Amino acid sequence: QKEVEQNSGPLSVPEGAIASLNCTYSDRVSQSFFWYRQYSGKSPELIMSIYSNGDKEDGRFTAQLNKASQYVSLLIRDSQPSDSATYLCAVRTGMTTDSWGKFQFGAGTQVVVTP
Amino acid sequence: EAGVVQSPRYKIIEKKQPVAFWCNPISGHNTLYWYRQNLGQGPELLIRYENEEAVDDSQLPKDRFSAERLKGVDSTLKIQPAELGDSAVYLCASSLDSDRFPVGTEAFFGQGTRLTVV
Repeated sequence: QKEVEQNSGPLSVPEGAIASLNCTYSDRVSQSFFWYRQYSGKSPELIMSIYSNGDKEDGRFTAQLNKASQYVSLLIRDSQPSDSATYLCAVRTGMTTDSWGKFQFGAGTQVVVTP
Repeated sequence: EAGVVQSPRYKIIEKKQPVAFWCNPISGHNTLYWYRQNLGQGPELLIRYENEEAVDDSQLPKDRFSAERLKGVDSTLKIQPAELGDSAVYLCASSLDSDRFPVGTEAFFGQGTRLTVV
């Protein structure tokens, strides 16, 4: 079982609609959760971080975290063609009293926003 | 503020040749990561440094890969000899971690080095 799992997609979303991306993780003691956007041929770019259960909103993006269910999601409202990219879920795992832990990434969900 | 800087951006080498990648993290960032990303997959951790100490190198193929982070700043990743299967994008990332924020902060990526082994 992979530590971080995402649906690979592609997720096709009409322009102006809401894109919903899901991610599950296996390490119960994980405390830090991130969403990165990666355009084709580019490196990952951080778009959201979330550390507590509940919702966190930043512009058109909303991250949701449920630690009991080991689930984190990303909503993109009013989707634009420029949102077409691969979205990577990252979880900071393996944290101990002596180490901050490593980033584990899912394989990413490709989002395609159609005009 | 300058971001994570990597060089070279592209490298094409013949198999069995050596290759090295360089990374300069964001100023003051104490944690540095090297990842490898194959097409259609997420980044896979190769090695993680906290300051100058390699705290996680369990996924580094030590028979051919080596890394160093002298003085806890710049880092170099080397492959010798390269194999066809090493063709990938090699990403460096850094984060600022502190006891004041024990859950761990976000990581920022460099532009990556695209390696092609022929």
